[in-house]
Amino acid sequence: AQRVTQPEKLLSVFKGAPVELKCNYSYSGSPELFWYVQYSRQRLQLLLRHISRESIKGFTADLNKGETSFHLKKPFAQEEDSAMYYCALVGISARQLTFGSGTQLTVLP
Amino acid sequence: EAGVTQSPTHLIKTRGQQATLRCSPISGHTSVYWYQQALGLGLQFLLWYDEGEERNRGNFPPRFSGRQFPNYSSELNVNALELEDSALYLCASGDKMNTEAFFGQGTRLTVV
Repeated sequence: AQRVTQPEKLLSVFKGAPVELKCNYSYSGSPELFWYVQYSRQRLQLLLRHISRESIKGFTADLNKGETSFHLKKPFAQEEDSAMYYCALVGISARQLTFGSGTQLTVLP
Repeated sequence: EAGVTQSPTHLIKTRGQQATLRCSPISGHTSVYWYQQALGLGLQFLLWYDEGEERNRGNFPPRFSGRQFPNYSSELNVNALELEDSALYLCASGDKMNTEAFFGQGTRLTVV
């Protein structure tokens, strides 16, 4: 069974501070990991995926297979980063998309 | 290119009634996923259809059902509506070559 855990339901940081949103997964194999973001009144959209290894809007995420984690990081948070963030997993064989419960990030001025 | 479209945008039903929600995937996408986004509960996986077949379903009672049509559009049916079914229902589509899912704007179902 595949499972994604986001331990923080709510996270608040001040503008300019570093931010880390935690994500742990369980999957018996090599999954593909994603971060999706939902800004207020917008549809859920892909932020980044681990295979592309790119930085989007200053966010990065590194897949740690030893710790089965895929934490999302940004060195200097901005107010426009305030949104709901979901970590997600796709199994290579099953190709079913499984989401974590989400973390509501609020960046304070 | 048109994105994933869902209809209706809002739906109000009374307890015990049936609701039908519709989703049109991006052209060329064969997979459709349905999720329930209830307040404070995040995204709960409901159903996954691919090439007309149900591939998997989440931990929801049988009164949640659906189907996928030959043109890959999909319907989600919820029978015997209960108050706790009130939520935003999201549809997403994907294709075989790309594991990214593209989401619709959702249908807000309110059961009164």
